[in-house]
Amino acid sequence: QQQVKQSPQSLIVQKGGISIINCAYENTAFDYFPWYQQFPGKGPALLIAIRPDVSEKKEGRFTISFNKSAKQFSLHIMDSQPGDSATYFCAASKNGQNFVFGPGTRLSVLP
Amino acid sequence: KAGVTQTPRYLIKTRGQQVTLSCSPISGHRSVSWYQQTPGQGLQFLFEYFSETQRNKGNFPGRFSGRQFSNSRSEMNVSTLELGDSALYLCASSLAGLADQETQYFGPGTRLLVL
Repeated sequence: QQQVKQSPQSLIVQKGGISIINCAYENTAFDYFPWYQQFPGKGPALLIAIRPDVSEKKEGRFTISFNKSAKQFSLHIMDSQPGDSATYFCAASKNGQNFVFGPGTRLSVLP
Repeated sequence: KAGVTQTPRYLIKTRGQQVTLSCSPISGHRSVSWYQQTPGQGLQFLFEYFSETQRNKGNFPGRFSGRQFSNSRSEMNVSTLELGDSALYLCASSLAGLADQETQYFGPGTRLLVL
């Protein structure tokens, strides 16, 4: 029940395309869903986060869609750029506790 | 503003030894969290410290411990090292902590290799 599933494991997108990464969770008590971006040799960096009372949040080219009834949330990267090539992690937590991460998606954006 | 710093960046130890890793948070941040990252298990939450008190703890054995000092710097200790402890250990700092859903800022990590 503490697990967060993430797909796909890897993703290859052409420059200018849309990258979509999906996550699913079981614990309905989770109340915070962040996405992190990690470049090789670096620590993760918060990209965007959403709370379950909102169905969508957009920040620049990055959008989170949240489906509470399906217990799913996804990250959309519009106009994907080679600089977006990184590993993306979804995560979930309840009151800052039980902080769990998805296994990650390695995104490659081809020039 | 300086980011989160971790020392050392790389470490090689042998089974049975113990190790201490250090994390200096961003100035003004009172919360420090620790994570273990491995290819097999991914990113896993170890614990969070806030104002020198452990506030949250993940599912790791008691060999993993930590502490936080009055200047918010934190140390993580792993005793009786096992081969499976080889990992990238990340710390992250935030102003008010995980419970407030504050943005966490991660350091570059300490890569530990246990032989």
